[in-house]
Amino acid sequence: NAGVTQTPKFRVLKTGQSMTLLCAQDMNHEYMYWYRQDPGMGLRLIHYSVGEGTTAKGEVPDGYNVSRLKKQNFLLGLESAAPSQTSVYFCAVTDSGPLRQYFGPGTRLTVL
Amino acid sequence: QKEVEQDPGPLSVPEGAIVSLNCTYSNSAFQYFMWYRQYSRKGPELLMYTYSSGNKEDGRFTAQVDKSSKYISLFIRDSQPSDSATYLCAMSEGSGTYKYIFGTGTRLKVLA
Repeated sequence: NAGVTQTPKFRVLKTGQSMTLLCAQDMNHEYMYWYRQDPGMGLRLIHYSVGEGTTAKGEVPDGYNVSRLKKQNFLLGLESAAPSQTSVYFCAVTDSGPLRQYFGPGTRLTVL
Repeated sequence: QKEVEQDPGPLSVPEGAIVSLNCTYSNSAFQYFMWYRQYSRKGPELLMYTYSSGNKEDGRFTAQVDKSSKYISLFIRDSQPSDSATYLCAMSEGSGTYKYIFGTGTRLKVLA
């Protein structure tokens, strides 16, 4: 039982390159989230999904796209990476009753 | 004014001390309150979860919610060097919205 996993763990991109981050869960939870964490800014919500096939914008969605084609996977895409997207990205899942939120281990992204 | 305020610290205490960590908030609709522990270069780990007001105890940890004052606290008794981490508070209104608002985190260092 892995819980929430994220792929890759680290990545370095050049400005303008694209990439996709994968979040996978084996907890069978409906709600999934992508956050970024920056020093002094805390965790900020990028996009989230309340079920398979649904996505919604969070606090800082610009420059990112997401897809939830399968219940267990939530993908975060950067179409044209910018240095401002250098951050640590966390995926989280939530059980729909008590709304307890569980996090993955994170992806450390650097955009040069 | 931020929706959730948390003193960033750092807070240094000797081993065995009682630690008090706090968050204040402005949104009276928050009903779900969580505390996370985050070790360096790791994902946040759910530590305590409270619905509405009151106290909750789990081992050396006690979470308190005072909705009238819009103030939540996490107490750590008999603190250990292994408690050294960043502690994040998080809050949610609950059903109808699935978003969590996080504090920026308090860095705690327990000195042996």
